[in-house]
Amino acid sequence: KNEVEQSPQNLTAQEGEFITINCSYSVGISALHWLQQHPGGGIVSLFMLSSGKKKHGRLIATINIQEKHSSLHITASHPRDSAVYICAVRGPGGGADGLTFGKGTHLIIQP
Amino acid sequence: EPEVTQTPSHQVTQMGQEVILRCVPISNHLYFYWYRQILGQKVEFLVSFYNNEISEKSEIFDDQFSVERPDGSNFTLKIRSTKLEDSAMYFCASSDAPWGGYTFGSGTRLTVV
Repeated sequence: KNEVEQSPQNLTAQEGEFITINCSYSVGISALHWLQQHPGGGIVSLFMLSSGKKKHGRLIATINIQEKHSSLHITASHPRDSAVYICAVRGPGGGADGLTFGKGTHLIIQP
Repeated sequence: EPEVTQTPSHQVTQMGQEVILRCVPISNHLYFYWYRQILGQKVEFLVSFYNNEISEKSEIFDDQFSVERPDGSNFTLKIRSTKLEDSAMYFCASSDAPWGGYTFGSGTRLTVV
């Protein structure tokens, strides 16, 4: 069973700062997802990665398969980025395997 | 942008009652999932569904749970006899391919009293 660990659990930063959230997992995977959850509870998919790096606007996600580690970066952070960021992994079988979730990183960006 | 729709957004039920949570996945998606999140805890996988049958289920998904795709558009989760510990946010998700990205619904908050 995969163990997914995120750090930090909580992060408060000032607007404009560069943010990094880390995720590590214990067993090989077919894909890693970065998700965003707002206070209302809804979950939005930000990235799905199986290798390398992806960028969307101010968000960048990287993954190192050998080290079983991924990072989510936010450049020029803004108060609207405040949310819980969740890392989730899909097992090596891929297919219809369910995702295993981390506990999330609660990010607050202060003006 | 296509959405996964869940209804109701909030349901309150008495312990021991049956509840059905409904989801309309994205129309061309083939893989469907239910997850739950107990308040303050991480999201947990319940079940995946493909080609009109369960593909994988977690140990949480015991005999009191069932899923169905009754009419080619809806995807339902039934809890037969609810317990207090079933109180949680339930998320439906769908994907268009085995290694595809996910789209999540906005969730149904179930409160068992």
